[in-house]
Amino acid sequence: DAGVIQSPRHEVTEMGQEVTLRCKPISGHNSLFWYRQTMMRGLELLIYFNNNVPIDDSGMPEDRFSAKMPNASFSTLKIQPSEPRDSAVYFCASRTTDEAFFGQGTRLTVV
Amino acid sequence: SQQGEEDPQALSIQEGENATMNCSYKTSINNLQWYRQNSGRGLVHLILIRSNEREKHSGRLRVTLDTSKKSSSLLITASRAADTASYFCATAGSYQLTFGKGTKLSVIP
Repeated sequence: DAGVIQSPRHEVTEMGQEVTLRCKPISGHNSLFWYRQTMMRGLELLIYFNNNVPIDDSGMPEDRFSAKMPNASFSTLKIQPSEPRDSAVYFCASRTTDEAFFGQGTRLTVV
Repeated sequence: SQQGEEDPQALSIQEGENATMNCSYKTSINNLQWYRQNSGRGLVHLILIRSNEREKHSGRLRVTLDTSKKSSSLLITASRAADTASYFCATAGSYQLTFGKGTKLSVIP
């Protein structure tokens, strides 16, 4: 398996634009997590899915953020409209029961 | 909110020395996990210890868990320059996996 695949690896966008981050979890994993990492706040859990169903989205910072998992092999995290304070590295991770496997992350810069 | 909190925030040691990092958490857990992150990369799982275990070893890694104190420690023995990275503890509940802010370890050759 190629592991958790995230795209794009880097994204630079202007404030106000819509940003969509993509994640392909490892086949057979039934849980998927979206995290945001910044120097100030560390690694924050934004939302997690179990069997494609959002279980807890209390970590999503604002209504500008939304996440979907239409099927077991694909998830998106959308920010609309984006703001400079959204600049961070966004990680997707998947797991079955115990250890989580992380993607390489998407480095988002909003200017 | 952060569940686990690592201590110290940064640690610098000489190659060959041992490195100890600590993690404290607040609520009950199913297990506690340690991860490593190299600069610019995703996190990689190192070791997991279940709530009914007190100590676990894997190669040069030793993890302890004290559920009465809600704390864990990660010991890396005979450190190498390649161990330079950030180390995170993660507490696992029924579904969630919540990370602390990490300890940045620098191993000087």
